[in-house]
Amino acid sequence: QVTLRESGPALVKPTQTLTLTCTFSGFSLSTSGMCVSWIRQPPGKALEWLARIDWDDDKYYSTSLRTRLTISKDTSKNQVVFTMTNMDPVDTATYYCARKRNSLGGAHDYWGQGTLVTVSS
Amino acid sequence: DIQMTQSPSSLSASVGDRVTITCRASQSITTYLNWYQQKPGKAPKLLIYAASSLQSGVPSRFSGSGSGTDFTLTISTLQPEDFATYFCQQSHSIPPAFGQGTKVEIK
Repeated sequence: QVTLRESGPALVKPTQTLTLTCTFSGFSLSTSGMCVSWIRQPPGKALEWLARIDWDDDKYYSTSLRTRLTISKDTSKNQVVFTMTNMDPVDTATYYCARKRNSLGGAHDYWGQGTLVTVSS
Repeated sequence: DIQMTQSPSSLSASVGDRVTITCRASQSITTYLNWYQQKPGKAPKLLIYAASSLQSGVPSRFSGSGSGTDFTLTISTLQPEDFATYFCQQSHSIPPAFGQGTKVEIK
């Protein structure tokens, strides 16, 4: 059974760095074709893809946010860590981690429940 | 970056109706197009991948079609549990953009 769960602070102050952890089970990020993405959704708005890390440690970032983002993995712990620097109130959103499988045409087949992050002083 | 445009942004329909949602890419993505359903307060759920392949466990009333730049999600007979927001997403190239969503509401 595949599960993913996001964890991290619910509230961060402007200019601070957000660090979120995705802890997953039911698959290994060392298996060829497995990837984990971070995706966010501001309240009432659309989904926005942020970053992805692949089984071979390749990393990809949003064009507009790449200078603020870092993604890494700890395969032994089944975790993916995501950081976003210089947080602003416009970054208030629910942040999801999701598994992407190349065998499904690159679709995200399992998602975490999401964690709401509010940016406010 | 590839842009994804969905239409309509919202629609009202009745149980039993046939519903069609359209997604257009700003350039060809062949069949690298996925559809998700999202209910309030929940994570998105994968319905269709690779434009027309039904994800395991998804009812057969959902279907997808299209290639290149124009794609369609069809719900053949709308059920009460289908009232939700639907998003398309391209997985052809980085960044894998989502459409803005289509909210299906009860008429």
